[in-house]
Amino acid sequence: KQEVTQIPAALSVPEGENLVLNCSFTDSAIYNLQWFRQDPGKGLTSLLLIQSSQREQTSGRLNASLDKSSGRSTLYIAASQPGDSATYLCAVGGYSGYSTLTFGKGTMLLVSP
Amino acid sequence: DGGITQSPKYLFRKEGQNVTLSCEQNLNHDAMYWYRQDPGQGLRLIYYSQIVNDFQKGDIAEGYSVSREKKESFPLTVTSAQKNPTAFYLCASIKGQAFFGQGTRLTVV
Repeated sequence: KQEVTQIPAALSVPEGENLVLNCSFTDSAIYNLQWFRQDPGKGLTSLLLIQSSQREQTSGRLNASLDKSSGRSTLYIAASQPGDSATYLCAVGGYSGYSTLTFGKGTMLLVSP
Repeated sequence: DGGITQSPKYLFRKEGQNVTLSCEQNLNHDAMYWYRQDPGQGLRLIYYSQIVNDFQKGDIAEGYSVSREKKESFPLTVTSAQKNPTAFYLCASIKGQAFFGQGTRLTVV
């Protein structure tokens, strides 16, 4: 059964720092990997989607990489801002675009001014 | 505006009562999913449906039921058999990328 682990569980940084969030998964037979942001009491917002054939995706200050063979993904946030404070969740999808997602427990990020 | 709409935002359930959470999508996606989120835990899959009139149990289906009579709608009923229903419930539609609703917070009173 697929298991997804996110490290660290919580992270506090001053504004302006570049930071890396880590995600690892046990079964490399994935269809895709997604990074989400969740604000307190809200739903999930999709940030980046990486297909299994891709190595990375970029959106603005966010860059996500995928190393399927080693079962790892990283989310890089450049020049962090207080508005980036949220919980970041990694999820892997198996076998097809309609398959269920397996989630990590998330990394809670606090960026202080 | 395309997306997933969940209602209500807050729901209170008395002991022994069944309650139904609504999830509607206008993305024309076939697949819809219900997840449960508890503090400090990742999302856990309750039920999913990949086509109208068909659905499958997820990892924690006990005490829950669903229906999928229309492509746009996937309501979740939390039955009295669910002993610990207090949680944040999230509905999603997935076609490659996942789209989530804003969630329903259910509390037992």
